[in-house]
Amino acid sequence: QITLKESGPTLVKPTQTLTLTCTFSGFSLSTSGVGVGWIRQSPGKALEWLAVIYWDDNNRYSPSLKSRLTITRDTSKNQVVLTMPNMDPVDTATYYCAHRSDQSIFNYWGQGVLVTVSS
Amino acid sequence: DIQVTQSPSTLSASVGDRVTITCRASQSISSWLAWYQQKPGKAPKLLIYKASTLESGVPSRFSGSGSGTEFTLTISSLQPDDFATYYCQQYNNYWTFGQGTKVEIK
Repeated sequence: QITLKESGPTLVKPTQTLTLTCTFSGFSLSTSGVGVGWIRQSPGKALEWLAVIYWDDNNRYSPSLKSRLTITRDTSKNQVVLTMPNMDPVDTATYYCAHRSDQSIFNYWGQGVLVTVSS
Repeated sequence: DIQVTQSPSTLSASVGDRVTITCRASQSISSWLAWYQQKPGKAPKLLIYKASTLESGVPSRFSGSGSGTEFTLTISSLQPDDFATYYCQQYNNYWTFGQGTKVEIK
């Protein structure tokens, strides 16, 4: 059974760095074809893909946010970490992590964590 | 970037109705399209991938079709549990979501 859970601060101040952790179980990020991605959703808005890290430690970022995002993994802890510096109120959103299957689809999602950016 | 556009943005329907949602991609994405259902306060749930393949456990009243740039999600007979927001997503080049279609009670 695949599960994922996001953790991190629910409130950050403008200009601060956001660090979110995705802790997963039921699969290995060392398995060929597998990945873990981050997707966010601003209140009342659509979903926006942010980043993905693959089984071979390669990663990809949304072109519009590439300069601000870093995704890393700790396979021994079954964790993936997303870092986003210089947070702004427009970054207020629910941040989800999701399992990326070998068919490139996000088929399992965490429950999400609402991050509010406010002074 | 590949853009995906859904229509309509809101759809009012009754239980038992046949419902169709359309998704258009800004360039050909072959069949690399997925559909998700999202309920308030919950994570999206995968319904269909590769344009027409039903995810395991998803009721057969959901179906998807299309290829290239035009795709549809059809719910053959709307059930009370189906009132939600639906998103299409292309995965031909990275991942891009449509803006969503809210299916509400008429």
